Amino acid sequence: EAQVTQNPRYLITVTGKKLTVTCSQNMNHEYMSWYRQDPGLGLRQIYYSMNVEVTDKGDVPEGYKVSRKEKRNFPLILESPSPNQTSLYFCASSPGPWTDQPQHFGDGTRLSIL
Amino acid sequence: GESVGLHLPTLSVQEGDNSIINCAYSNSASDYFIWYKQESGKGPQFIIDIRSNMDKRQGQRVTVLLNKTVKHLSLQIAATQPGDSAVYFCAERASNDYKLSFGAGTTVTVRA
Repeated sequence: EAQVTQNPRYLITVTGKKLTVTCSQNMNHEYMSWYRQDPGLGLRQIYYSMNVEVTDKGDVPEGYKVSRKEKRNFPLILESPSPNQTSLYFCASSPGPWTDQPQHFGDGTRLSIL
Repeated sequence: GESVGLHLPTLSVQEGDNSIINCAYSNSASDYFIWYKQESGKGPQFIIDIRSNMDKRQGQRVTVLLNKTVKHLSLQIAATQPGDSAVYFCAERASNDYKLSFGAGTTVTVRA
């Protein structure tokens, strides 16, 4: 089954404790992206990757890092989480950003930073 | 980038009626539009898309209409069912860009 898998689905942690949210897709997609979803703001892009070893900032990259060492994986790293990063996070993938093919989303990771 | 917005944050519909969800966009360079459905606890799910060289596209029980003159996009759901209760997002992408911009979403509640 074609899917985007995120882990963990839920996490409560404390300010400053490094965490990583993993994202994996099994569709051989080149393009992957991370979004955060906050009430009333829709989905805002954090980082994206056009292909292996190619990443770039989205609209709200501050406080986040990503890596793309393999095509299927695109982890999101919070080196020193802060309470304003409490949010619902989604990973998405698509064959390529220029194609008229929609992004496939994971089921989300709800992060609470205390 | 310019934002995509939905006209109404909530919509209550009687089961069996047709639903119309509206979306206004401001970027005249946008050439690709998508509607997503997000159910509680899930990620956004693709419903239907449309390119700017079309003004209407139909899927199963859904129709997307695009009016480029007034920069308006709508999603029509025929014979709305309880399973259609969800948050609906429109998204747009400009021809000179790769990024999808999402609206804030419309929450659709279907009344039995």
